[in-house]
Amino acid sequence: NAGVTQTPKFRILKIGQSMTLQCAQDMNHNYMYWYRQDPGMGLKLIYYSVGAGITDKGEVPNGYNVSRSTTEDFPLRLELAAPSQTSVYFCASSGDRGKETQYFGPGTRLLVL
Amino acid sequence: AQKVTQAQTEISVVEKEDVTLDCVYETRDTTYYLFWYKQPPSGELVFLIRRNSFDEQNEISGRYSWNFQKSTSSFNFTITASQVVDSAVYFCALSEERTGRRALTFGSGTRLQVQP
Repeated sequence: NAGVTQTPKFRILKIGQSMTLQCAQDMNHNYMYWYRQDPGMGLKLIYYSVGAGITDKGEVPNGYNVSRSTTEDFPLRLELAAPSQTSVYFCASSGDRGKETQYFGPGTRLLVL
Repeated sequence: AQKVTQAQTEISVVEKEDVTLDCVYETRDTTYYLFWYKQPPSGELVFLIRRNSFDEQNEISGRYSWNFQKSTSSFNFTITASQVVDSAVYFCALSEERTGRRALTFGSGTRLQVQP
């Protein structure tokens, strides 16, 4: 099992550009999450999904969009990049009831200039 | 709203010292889960332990031990005989059952530096 994979590992964007951060898991987990980690801080929830076709906002959703067409994939879209979106983005997944542990991908470091 | 507080921003110890990382949480739920994750300098998040709110037994895994006390809403993490490889940022996190989304609320982390 690869677990949770994320691409790219690092990206530099110019203000106003768009990009999609990819996340995939091969553990057949229903729950998937996107977090961002700003320097020196803990992680904050951007969006989450409880299954294919179902997504919802977390604490800091502004400037982002998600989709969940399959169980495996949960891409995060930045439409108009802003310097405030400079951060490290982590994708995570977890199983159903009784399997609460979230497993994280390696992260994507994004720099918006 | 739930909240996790890690009051210790940074701790520095010398190798072989014992060190305790504090975690205090707030929640209105009776059913919840507590976690510790390690983030080494390479940046990934490594799961260390999960504890549910009905299980107050302390846990020991090698040099690591965890003390969960509902009475004080604390879930502290002790490393015995610390090693340089323990140098990392450690996060405590909380997941509530009630909301159904099971997302984690993280503390701000404690950076542990173990000097040789």
